[in-house]
Amino acid sequence: DAGVIQSPRHEVTEMGQEVTLRCKPISGHNSLFWYRQTMMRGLELLIYFNNNVPIDDSGMPEDRFSAKMPNASFSTLKIQPSEPRDSAVYFCASTWETGGYEQYFGPGTRLTVT
Amino acid sequence: SQKIEQNSEALNIQEGKTATLTCNYTNYSPAYLQWYRQDPGRGPVFLLLIRENEKEKRKERLKVTFDTTLKQSLFHITASQPADSATYLCALEPWGGGYNKLIFGAGTRLAVHP
Repeated sequence: DAGVIQSPRHEVTEMGQEVTLRCKPISGHNSLFWYRQTMMRGLELLIYFNNNVPIDDSGMPEDRFSAKMPNASFSTLKIQPSEPRDSAVYFCASTWETGGYEQYFGPGTRLTVT
Repeated sequence: SQKIEQNSEALNIQEGKTATLTCNYTNYSPAYLQWYRQDPGRGPVFLLLIRENEKEKRKERLKVTFDTTLKQSLFHITASQPADSATYLCALEPWGGGYNKLIFGAGTRLAVHP
């Protein structure tokens, strides 16, 4: 199994530009999570999906952030327009629907907004 | 307020000793608690899950305890090795609703010296 796949691994962009992060969950998993990790705030949940439907987006910091999951094997997190304070590592994770199961994390996308 | 606290300072121990990491939480009633390992530049990796009705769980050199009265989990690594050096994160699903929505602690960095 390839695990959770994220792309790109690194992204450097200028303030004001649109950024799209991509995630492919593990096949068979039907819950998908987007996290952001910074030194100051640690690992924060942004949004999670169950069976491709957004269940809780209360962690999305602002309207500049949006996420979609058009099918079971693909999700995107978009930031438009990006700001320097969005610089962080963004992780995607997946698991099965029923509570109590471990989450499988991707390698992350390191985003730098200058 | 609701929060999860882990040892904020790095834990330095000698190879062969037992490392003990602490995770305390307030104002949550989790049905289970999880521990993850994170190496630099990588996503967290699941280690162990312990449920509220379990006092202790073991996996090879790892042991986790869960005291819902004290609102505390302890994570032990026995016969520690330099390869165990990493950051360890505790996480809980705060409301027992089975939605897999995890809240993570800030993590404790462990350094095992030869």
